[in-house]
Amino acid sequence: DVKVTQSSRYLVKRTGEKVFLECVQDMDHENMFWYRQDPGLGLRLIYFSYDVKMKEKGDIPEGYSVSREKKERFSLILESASTNQTSMYLCASSSGQGRSPLHFGNGTRLTVT
Amino acid sequence: LAKTTQPISMDSYEGQEVNITCSHNNIATNDYITWYQQFPSQGPRFIIQGYKTKVTNEVASLFIPADRKSSTLSLPRVSLSDTAVYYCLVAPPENFNKFYFGSGTKLNVKP
Repeated sequence: DVKVTQSSRYLVKRTGEKVFLECVQDMDHENMFWYRQDPGLGLRLIYFSYDVKMKEKGDIPEGYSVSREKKERFSLILESASTNQTSMYLCASSSGQGRSPLHFGNGTRLTVT
Repeated sequence: LAKTTQPISMDSYEGQEVNITCSHNNIATNDYITWYQQFPSQGPRFIIQGYKTKVTNEVASLFIPADRKSSTLSLPRVSLSDTAVYYCLVAPPENFNKFYFGSGTKLNVKP
C-alpha cells in the first residue's frame, strides 16, 4: 500500500519565518504534488513535480517554492510566511503511468500568527 | 478544463444506498472520471475511476451514461463511517495540473 508521509501534523509559525513542509512517499512514484485546502475553496494545486529536480507551477504558486532533490521527497517552502498562508497543506504522489490515482498524505495544518 | 458540479451536501441513513451525481457537461474525449473520499483531518482517498458505462469495485460503483456528461457514484448500504466529503474529478490522466477538486459533496450518514 502506498504511503505518503508528511513530517508534521500541526505547525505554528510566526509571520516572516521561513517554513519547510516535508513529504516522503515510499512507492517510487514519479509525480508529487502540493495542494492547500481551505474551507469553501476546495483543494488548490500549488506546485507539482514529475521528476527529480523538475517542478511546475500549479494554480497558486505565489509565496511558495519547492524542492525535489530525491525521488521520494518533495518539500514545500514558504520563503516568508504570512497569515494568509494559514491552511491545511496536502502532499500527494502518483506513478507516471496513465490513469494512476493520487495518493495523499494526512496533511499539515499550518497556522501563521 | 472540464468543470464539475456536485450537490453541496446530502443526508442518508445507515443501510441505505446513496447515489451522488456529478455533472460535467464539457467533458473531453480523453477525460477520465475519478472519485475521491475525504474524512476530516485526512487527505483524500481514491475510490473509483471510469471512462464509460459501469465500473464496480469493493467499495462503490460508478455509472456513466453514453454521453458522459454526468456520472453517479453509488455507495451500497452506507454506514456511519461513510460520512465524508466526496469529490468528482474529470481530467485527462496525463495532465496533472488539471485535477480540479472543487468543493465536493458532504455526505452525512445518520443512525
